This record gives sequence, C-alpha cells and structure tokens, in this order.
Amino acid sequence: GAGVSQSPSNKVTEKGKDVELRCDPISGHTALYWYRQRLGQGLEFLIYFQGNSAPDKSGLPSDRFSAERTGESVSTLTIQRTQQEDSAVYLCASSQFGTDPSFGPGTRLTVL
Amino acid sequence: GDSVTQMEGPVTLSEEAFLTINCTYTATGYPSLFWYVQYPGEGLQLLLKATKADDKGSNKGFEATYRKETTSFHLEKGSVQVSDSAVYFCALRLMNRDDKIIFGKGTRLHILP
Repeated sequence: GAGVSQSPSNKVTEKGKDVELRCDPISGHTALYWYRQRLGQGLEFLIYFQGNSAPDKSGLPSDRFSAERTGESVSTLTIQRTQQEDSAVYLCASSQFGTDPSFGPGTRLTVL
Repeated sequence: GDSVTQMEGPVTLSEEAFLTINCTYTATGYPSLFWYVQYPGEGLQLLLKATKADDKGSNKGFEATYRKETTSFHLEKGSVQVSDSAVYFCALRLMNRDDKIIFGKGTRLHILP
C-alpha cells in the first residue's frame, strides 16, 4: 500500500519567508510525528499528534514553528520568518498504536 | 526524562570486521526498542526491534538484545560489508498514552573495502 508521503521533496527559500511542509500519513494511522534532522545530526523530535488528543508540542524549537493536523489526515508544519539555522531535512512518520512507525522520504529545506 | 544515548561516530571498520554500536536508554515503564538505518540518500528504515526484556531482534545479519538490567540495546554484526555503510539510529517507543518515539543522535558507519 501507499506509504507516508511528504511534499515538497525540496524547498529553497529566502531568509524571512514563511514555508509550509506537508505530510500525508498512511491511511488509518492515528499517530503522526514530525522530526528535524540537521546535516550530520540526529533526529530531533518536533511534535506528535495522536488521534484527537492535544498534540505534544514539546519539541518545537520556537514560536516560529507550528503544526496542524485535522483528525487523522494530512498534517502541515509551518515555519514563519525562516532563519538559516532552520535548514534541515524535515521527516514525518505515522503509526497505528502497536505498529511500527513508517517514515516519509523527508523534505529538504534550504534557507538562503 | 526519557532518552537514548548511543556511541558517537563516525565508526570506520574494514570489511568483514565485527561491529558493535552501543545504545543505552532511560525510560519510565517498559519501552519497545528499535534500530533504524539510513543509507546514503535514502529515507529512514526500520532495521530491527525488540518489545520486551531479553528479546532479540535480528535482520540482515544484525542483532540486538533488549537488556533490561543494563538498560541497553547494543547493535552487533559478525561480519560487516561495504553496503552496511550508513547512519544507524537507536530509538525507544513509550507504549503508553503518549506513544512518543525518542531517537539517539545516530552513529555514522563507514566500511572500507
């Protein structure tokens, strides 16, 4: 079946612009995660959605970052007033409780 | 808080060498443990997992045993190949209400022919 998809695959933007990254989870997966991976670094947790519960936003690095998810569908991660340190690969994953999470291919964000 | 610590890389080995990548964790409750692999230019893939103490996960010649007494999940392979060159991530999943997945920082592995 279809896996987790993310769009765009690559995004180049200028410092100060806003960007939106999209994640389409596997159908029926109630949990959705966003991670950030800076060049040569590990995975940094950003935010976690589980069904209709309040999201765990504890990993968002600043108030410039926000994410939304409606029900168990698509999620968007928005970064406002982008900075060069936001350059990274943004990974999305989804899972059903008790199943292994599946990762998307990521969106590579470059802030000039 | 809950966390995963894995050995820093890069780790460079010759082909057919024995590999160990150490991973220890701190968690409340009884997490499931995972190793993920990221090959150059590719996405993150699940390599193996273990869901309870003393379980051994294995795949592609790699093994890891869930050691509750030492809170460890070290990754091993008896004879590495050039194609094993990748970044390896240890992770835990809290199988509770939060169901959060926490990753280590990753270990880059280079295998020389």
